[in-house]
Amino acid sequence: EPEVTQTPSHQVTQMGQEVILRCVPISNHLYFYWYRQILGQKVEFLVSFYNNEISEKSEIFDDQFSVERPDGSNFTLKIRSTKLEDSAMYFCASTGRAADTQYFGPGTRLTVL
Amino acid sequence: KQEVTQIPAALSVPEGENLVLNCSFTDSAIYNLQWFRQDPGKGLTSLLLIQSSQREQTSGRLNASLDKSSGRSTLYIAASQPGDSATYLCAVTPHSGYSTLTFGKGTMLLVSP
Repeated sequence: EPEVTQTPSHQVTQMGQEVILRCVPISNHLYFYWYRQILGQKVEFLVSFYNNEISEKSEIFDDQFSVERPDGSNFTLKIRSTKLEDSAMYFCASTGRAADTQYFGPGTRLTVL
Repeated sequence: KQEVTQIPAALSVPEGENLVLNCSFTDSAIYNLQWFRQDPGKGLTSLLLIQSSQREQTSGRLNASLDKSSGRSTLYIAASQPGDSATYLCAVTPHSGYSTLTFGKGTMLLVSP
């Protein structure tokens, strides 16, 4: 069964460093998302991406964040200068149609020291 | 702003019991509602999706109901098993937009043998 994959599973970085989280959505899906979950808190929407551009973003997704679909398979989230409060689990999701079931990847645990 | 609340926060039952998890949302203008399962340190697995025009959806031992006008959904699990132990998340899609999900904090379920 097709699945969303994410790499790395765990990333440790120093405050102020740039990180890139990678996702491979399900191959025929068109809508892509990033969410994050700080330990013990709700899963929060960050950004949605469709037709090679951002379609929606939350207040969390400020200028430090960017997304890219560099080729036909990868979908990346970049954090330019990480802060301690960026430590969280980051989930990528995809779906074939807007408002259809979203399929989530296993997540990347980001630890900022 | 949409708020999703899940009650109870945690639930412990013996194997074989039927149980109900509750989800409420403040804005009834939703497109659909999804129930997810999250195992510790893992990603989210979609269990059921109910469209706003539907009253309920069933999959195996799971039955989800939706009362959009009152802003409530329930997830009924029949004949619970230890393998059902996980956190169950409820998420709503707004009636407009690109299907960004707003999540509740979840109900942590423990089914003991």
